[in-house]
Amino acid sequence: AQSVTQPDIHITVSEGASLELRCNYSYGATPYLFWYVQSPGQGLQLLLKYFSGDTLVQGIKGFEAEFKRSQSSFNLRKPSVHWSDAAEYFCAVGVYNFNKFYFGSGTKLNVKP
Amino acid sequence: EAQVTQNPRYLITVTGKKLTVTCSQNMNHEYMSWYRQDPGLGLRQIYYSMNVEVTDKGDVPEGYKVSRKEKRNFPLILESPSPNQTSLYFCASSSLPTLTERGEQFFGPGTRLTVL
Repeated sequence: AQSVTQPDIHITVSEGASLELRCNYSYGATPYLFWYVQSPGQGLQLLLKYFSGDTLVQGIKGFEAEFKRSQSSFNLRKPSVHWSDAAEYFCAVGVYNFNKFYFGSGTKLNVKP
Repeated sequence: EAQVTQNPRYLITVTGKKLTVTCSQNMNHEYMSWYRQDPGLGLRQIYYSMNVEVTDKGDVPEGYKVSRKEKRNFPLILESPSPNQTSLYFCASSSLPTLTERGEQFFGPGTRLTVL
């Protein structure tokens, strides 16, 4: 069965520090991979996506993610976190011709001043 | 402004009282989908639709119905709500995926439903 695992429920980093959020997926074929961000009381906003090509993808707000097929991972990174990055982050996979989606349980990011 | 709208934004109801949550998009998208968000579980897909009169089950369709009679609208129907359907619901829309490209899903603001 398809699944997405985000092993870190909460992460706290200091402003200006680097960030890495982990995501592992389970799917037999190459999935379409996404990272979304949800600010409190808001809907979801797409940060970046990957299906093929360069395994390092750039997104909005200075985020990037790297697809590693051997590890079934799609980790999100940012070199220097800003206080406005505090939010909940969701990894997702699109399967079955990209019509069905599975989301991870989310990682809440806190940013210390 | 391109957007996905949902109504109502907040709803408190009682067990067994039928309700409908509306979803409308103004981007002429073929694909629409409903999700529920619960703490610790992330978002789970309820139903999706690839076009008018074409709907299919997501991961958690039990207790829900949908219809797609017009391209812009995709209402979510709870015929007999139960307390375990208390959740935050999101509607989303996008262009239809191709074999190699999957356009961005645009999400509505969410509907917080409480079933007593």
